[in-house]
Amino acid sequence: EVQLLESGGGLVQPGGSLRLSCVASGFIFSSFAMDWVRQAPGKGLEWLSTISATGSYYADSVKGRFTISRDNSKNTLYLQMNSLRAEDTALYYCVKGLSAFDVWGQGTMVTVSS
Amino acid sequence: DIVMTQTPLSSPVTLGQPASISCRSSQSLVHSDGNTYLSWLQQRPGQPPRLLIYKISNRFSGVPDRFSGSGAGTDFTLKISRVEAEDVGVYYCMQTTQFPRTFGQGTTVEIK
Repeated sequence: EVQLLESGGGLVQPGGSLRLSCVASGFIFSSFAMDWVRQAPGKGLEWLSTISATGSYYADSVKGRFTISRDNSKNTLYLQMNSLRAEDTALYYCVKGLSAFDVWGQGTMVTVSS
Repeated sequence: DIVMTQTPLSSPVTLGQPASISCRSSQSLVHSDGNTYLSWLQQRPGQPPRLLIYKISNRFSGVPDRFSGSGAGTDFTLKISRVEAEDVGVYYCMQTTQFPRTFGQGTTVEIK
């Protein structure tokens, strides 16, 4: 079964940092582009970042603050989040795919508050 | 950035009746490779989103055939032929033709 399992969320103060992880199973992780998408409470979906064979891509809202990376030997995707703001409070989803987002994790909640 | 606009934002539907959601993009979603990367996602209450349709009209694995997608260029439609109780949730269109990826605002399908 194809699965994505996120972790690393939690409560962090404004200006702080967190690193999210996403462990993939059930498919050849190294062969696929991966993404991060977030959803603020009661709001819609916002694409954040994609890592693919051609490089890494970011939404303007997180460019320069967030860094996507992967460790194919560990089947793990990461999102390093620095300089966190209150507006970064959201459920963060790890997603598989480039042209179609075909597998979604359950998400990990990040709350930025003092 | 490509803006995705969905209508309606809310759709009360009677069980067994059809439902239709429109999605319009601010520019053509035709990629240089000739494909149109328009997808539809379903998010049931309390659940992560789930891929329903990709490249306008291709149903993803396990998606019931009451779901269908159509359209071209900048105008796209998701249709549910006969709404069932399990179809309640929010539906999003999204484009993966170019970066940044963008989503529609979401359309809530609820039972009358």
